[in-house]
Amino acid sequence: GNSVTQMEGPVTLSEEAFLTINCTYTATGYPSLFWYVQYPGEGLQLLLKATKADDKGSNKGFEATYRKETTSFHLEKGSVQVSDSAVYFCALSEASGTYKYIFGTGTRLKVLA
Amino acid sequence: DAGVIQSPRHEVTEMGQEVTLRCKPISGHNSLFWYRQTMMRGLELLIYFNNNVPIDDSGMPEDRFSAKMPNASFSTLKIQPSEPRDSAVYFCASRVSGTAKNIQYFGAGTRLSVL
Repeated sequence: GNSVTQMEGPVTLSEEAFLTINCTYTATGYPSLFWYVQYPGEGLQLLLKATKADDKGSNKGFEATYRKETTSFHLEKGSVQVSDSAVYFCALSEASGTYKYIFGTGTRLKVLA
Repeated sequence: DAGVIQSPRHEVTEMGQEVTLRCKPISGHNSLFWYRQTMMRGLELLIYFNNNVPIDDSGMPEDRFSAKMPNASFSTLKIQPSEPRDSAVYFCASRVSGTAKNIQYFGAGTRLSVL
């Protein structure tokens, strides 16, 4: 079945460091891929998405490229801030018409000033 | 847009009591999801409604859990009787079905503690 594998956290970085959170997936067909972010005490918020191979999703300085050849959707940011401290979830959704998200286990990011 | 609204934000109850969690989806959204989040199991989909009809409840843990959606703007998740292992954060999410975007919008969650 479909699955999402994320790197385990926590990830601790200093402010302005480069961030990479790895995400790989297993799926049939052509899923859509998402990154959601969960700040302390809040629900999940969509950070970015990509719906087809080679698409790059971007938002708030974060980027991720849909790589079908490596079945990956790694999240990157060039310079993190303390306010980026949160839990990041990678997720996939099967081709349009279905409903289920498959979530990764989440990666906690802590950014130190 | 007010987003998905869940209530209460926090619930503390004793084992054996009935618990009701509430959700108001985003206006115009016709799909609604209930999730449970725990440290051990991560995010689990409990049940999914489309146009107020339950489509998939295979994630509902057992008969103690039930969910209803009497209209397009309200849903409840009920646990009766509650047990300590039900302690978790419960999220509601909604979306517009039938679109390629398939973006789910989450509420802030209800943190349930069963003592």
